[in-house]
Amino acid sequence: GQNIDQPTEMTATEGAIVQINCTYQTSGFNGLFWYQQHAGEAPTFLSYNVLDGLEEKGRFSSFLSRSKGYSYLLLKELQMKDSASYLCAVRDIPGTASKLTFGTGTRLQVTL
Amino acid sequence: DTGVSQNPRHKITKRGQNVTFRCDPISEHNRLYWYRQTLGQGPEFLTYFQNEAQLEKSRLLSDRFSAERPKGSFSTLEIQRTEQGDSAMYLCASSPRSGGADTQYFGPGTRLTVL
Repeated sequence: GQNIDQPTEMTATEGAIVQINCTYQTSGFNGLFWYQQHAGEAPTFLSYNVLDGLEEKGRFSSFLSRSKGYSYLLLKELQMKDSASYLCAVRDIPGTASKLTFGTGTRLQVTL
Repeated sequence: DTGVSQNPRHKITKRGQNVTFRCDPISEHNRLYWYRQTLGQGPEFLTYFQNEAQLEKSRLLSDRFSAERPKGSFSTLEIQRTEQGDSAMYLCASSPRSGGADTQYFGPGTRLTVL
């Protein structure tokens, strides 16, 4: 079966750094995605990891360790607009239509 | 390129009625996905098309649900005899099936409320 775990909620201060963790246990692995979702809106793509290591994109970085079934999303220089849910999603082996299995999301609140 | 579009954005219906939603993917994308999302949860996979072929359906997709993509472009999702448990956000996504990430890009969703 598929199991993806993320913290339900986190709070951080504007200008700070926050790390959102994701652990997964899936029958196969063919990539991990992070999406941002503001309330009432569609998920928007943030990052993709398929090999171990860190991928950096501006204020956002994502890390993957396949042997540990672990990823994190790092957000730097937090802004109020970063208040949103952050979804971790795993794509399992090819041949299963590239469907994504999502975690329940981590709701991040950025405060002054 | 205007991204993935979905219509309608909101739908309120009475239990037992049929509803149909439409998704227009990004024009050069040949993969199209439907997901369902309830409050406080991540999206759950429903079904997937590559061009006009429906290649996978989730067990979540009961026989009251049907999806089509007749010409390999837009897709429709129909729910027959709606139930209150069908109330959710229905999300459509598309991807280009190029190598690498094959990232899925989501539309704004259709929020269904069944009274």
